[in-house]
Parts: sequence; C-alpha cells; structure tokens
Amino acid sequence: EAGVTQSPTHLIKTRGQQATLRCSPISGHTSVYWYQQALGLGLQFLLWYDEGEERNRGNFPPRFSGRQFPNYSSELNVNALELEDSALYLCASSLVGVYYGYTFGSGTRLTVV
Amino acid sequence: TQLLEQSPQFLSIQEGENLTVYCNSSSVFSSLQWYRQEPGEGPVLLVTVVTGGEVKKLKRLTFQFGDARKDSSLHITAAQPGDTGLYLCAGVSGGSEKLVFGKGTKLTVNP
Repeated sequence: EAGVTQSPTHLIKTRGQQATLRCSPISGHTSVYWYQQALGLGLQFLLWYDEGEERNRGNFPPRFSGRQFPNYSSELNVNALELEDSALYLCASSLVGVYYGYTFGSGTRLTVV
Repeated sequence: TQLLEQSPQFLSIQEGENLTVYCNSSSVFSSLQWYRQEPGEGPVLLVTVVTGGEVKKLKRLTFQFGDARKDSSLHITAAQPGDTGLYLCAGVSGGSEKLVFGKGTKLTVNP
C-alpha cells in the first residue's frame, strides 16, 4: 500500500511569488491535513480537508489556501510568499480521524529567497 | 490555546543508557500520540494512548498517559543509535479534529 505522497520534495521560490504543493493521501483515506514545520516553531496546523470541503484552518493568513479534489488528493497554495514561509510543509491523511493518529508524508521543503 | 511542553529539548546519551522524555500540559486530552521524526522525513506514529493511567509498550519503548490525561512520558530502555530522532508528542482535546504538537525532544544516541 502506497503511503502519503507529496510533491515536489524541494521548492525554491522568490519572495512575492506563489507556491503550489501537492499531496496524495493513502488510498481510501478521505481526510487530508496540512502542517507547517518551521525551525524552532514545531508543527503548526494549517488546514483540514474532508470529502472535498475545508473543515478547519489554523491561525494562518488567507494567503494560505488549498483545496481537495474528488480523488481526495489535495493542493496547498501559498500566495505572496514571505521569507518566513520557508519551512517543511507536511501533509497527513487519516481514515478514522485525528483521534488515532495520522500517517504523514515526507514533506515539501519550501525555501523562499 | 492548548500547549504541550516537552522536556528535555535536547538529549545526547551513550548506547545502552536508559532515558525518559516528558510531555506536559494544563489541558486535558482525549487522545495523546507520540511520533518519531528523522531528518528529511515526516513524523511516524509510534503509539496512541487514550485512557488515563494507560501504559503501552513497544519493544524497548514504554509510553504512559497520566491519570488526569494532561501529561505523558516516553521511556526508552537500553537506547540504540537507531533510536536517534526527534520525538514529538501530540494531543487531541474534546471534539477537536486538530492535533496539537509539542516542539519535540531531539534525541541523539552515540555508539
């Protein structure tokens, strides 16, 4: 069974540009969660999608957005990139919800220069 | 805002030693999870504890959930270099679908 896959592995963007990150959950998992892991800050919850709908979002500005497609894959978009957006962006999926834990992908390392 | 405090932040020990890392909060959690993360990878779920006082063992790792479901500990017996990594605790409170993470304990086990 394939795990959670994320692409690209690394992404370098210039300040002010837009970044698009992609995630494919484990087959059968309908929920996708996005987290940001910045140096010194730990994992911060970004967004939760389930059945194509945004269910919850963390304390991030609106320039962080995303969507979930009918096949349950998901996309995270970050507009007007700032230097402090440089981080590892992790996607996770779950079959039964957060209560029993997530399966994470390996992440996309975003560097803003 | 629920906060999970992990201690120590860094730990460097020799192979064969025992260690305990802690995860504390003032909030009550319905579920508490431990993950291990290696450089360049996503966190991997080690265990989930849901009942106050619960103890779970995974080979040389022992996880305990506090009676009041506000804290947890991870004990490793006879640590090995393969145990090196960032250990993260994460909690779910109430009906939230949001997992709150601690900042982690970075463990280095030297051969």
